[in-house]
Amino acid sequence: AQSVTQPDIHITVSEGASLELRCNYSYGATPYLFWYVQSPGQGLQLLLKYFSGDTLVQGIKGFEAEFKRSQSSFNLRKPSVHWSDAAEYFCAVGGGSNYKLTFGKGTLLTVNP
Amino acid sequence: ETGVTQTPRHLVMGMTNKKSLKCEQHLGHNAMYWYKQSAKKPLELMFVYSLEERVENNSVPSRFSPECPNSSHLFLHLHTLQPEDSALYLCASSQDHPGTSGIDTQYFGPGTRLTVL
Repeated sequence: AQSVTQPDIHITVSEGASLELRCNYSYGATPYLFWYVQSPGQGLQLLLKYFSGDTLVQGIKGFEAEFKRSQSSFNLRKPSVHWSDAAEYFCAVGGGSNYKLTFGKGTLLTVNP
Repeated sequence: ETGVTQTPRHLVMGMTNKKSLKCEQHLGHNAMYWYKQSAKKPLELMFVYSLEERVENNSVPSRFSPECPNSSHLFLHLHTLQPEDSALYLCASSQDHPGTSGIDTQYFGPGTRLTVL
């Protein structure tokens, strides 16, 4: 069975600081990996995805993520956080011929001025 | 309209009411999804339609009834709900490629915030 663990429920950073959100997954084959962001009262917006190829993936809003197969991880990073990045971030894994995306429980990001 | 739209954005209903949630996608996709998002819990996949056929039904109670009349529209009909059904209901769409492996990116609507009294 596929699963996603986001170990940090809540992270607080100062504006301008660097950010890393952790994601560990369990999947029996080559995973398809996603990061989504959700602002309060809104739906999920795709930040970036990894299907194959280069393990360092660039996304929107200056985010990037690195796929590390040996560690079963797909951590999200941003070198300098902006106040508008405050939101909840979800990692998801899927793959194969099914439609099932499994989401983590999310990490809530607070940005201090 | 662009992307995935959902109406209404907020809904309050009694346990004996019947209501429907509507989702429309303007992306030319052929697969649509309903998810339930409750506080402190991961997103739960409820239903999947591909090419207007239901391909996934994740043990959802019969008080939730989906309908997909065409590839652009998806409904969730609600009746005799329980207070624990209060949640954010998200619709998503993607481009399915029958006969091939893999999963394509899902694009989400803004959700309907449902409160059951």
